[in-house]
Amino acid sequence: NAGVTQTPKFQVLKTGQSMTLQCAQDMNHEYMSWYRQDPGMGLRLIHYSVGAGITDQGEVPNGYNVSRSTTEDFPLRLLSAAPSQTSVYFCASKRQGGNTIYFGEGSWLTVV
Amino acid sequence: GNSVTQMEGPVTLSEEAFLTINCTYTATGYPSLFWYVQYPGEGLQLLLKATKADDKGSNKGFEATYRKETTSFHLEKGSVQVSDSAVYFCALGKGVQGAQKLVFGQGTRLTINP
Repeated sequence: NAGVTQTPKFQVLKTGQSMTLQCAQDMNHEYMSWYRQDPGMGLRLIHYSVGAGITDQGEVPNGYNVSRSTTEDFPLRLLSAAPSQTSVYFCASKRQGGNTIYFGEGSWLTVV
Repeated sequence: GNSVTQMEGPVTLSEEAFLTINCTYTATGYPSLFWYVQYPGEGLQLLLKATKADDKGSNKGFEATYRKETTSFHLEKGSVQVSDSAVYFCALGKGVQGAQKLVFGQGTRLTINP
């Protein structure tokens, strides 16, 4: 049962570098999303997608890009990493019509 | 806007104690309510949910009832175990055209001592 798979699990970046956090789900879910988790705060929505070719912004989209070329994959791109983007990132998905969201195990990102 | 407020932690209890973690929300319309649990070094797992007023969600001995009149969704367990030590997040979800935007509380860290 793979579910929602995120890679990498841990990453250290230098300020200004770019990288992509990968997310894949094998449940044929239409809806996928990215959240970030910061100390003392709940998760906050970065971007989401309701299907291939469709993306939209969440609560904290600045500094991040996404695309959804397939149902399975929803990568999150940091074009020029900043220390403020040090966080734990969670990818999540759900099926259309459902109301339960399934989360990946998280990606720990440190920007120095 | 929508928001969720949880009781502040950390919460430390002895094994077999009764647990309550308070959660209140502000929302327009009729959101679904969720409790997620995060064990050390792991992602979030859905613990229980309720989709309409007076619904009771339950799982692994935990319960929470969707109270619209008090806008609350308090988490309870009658007898906690050391293995329940984790961070618990209350969240509300609003479905909009196929999306499900979750708004989370800040989380409550629970430690159970043997």
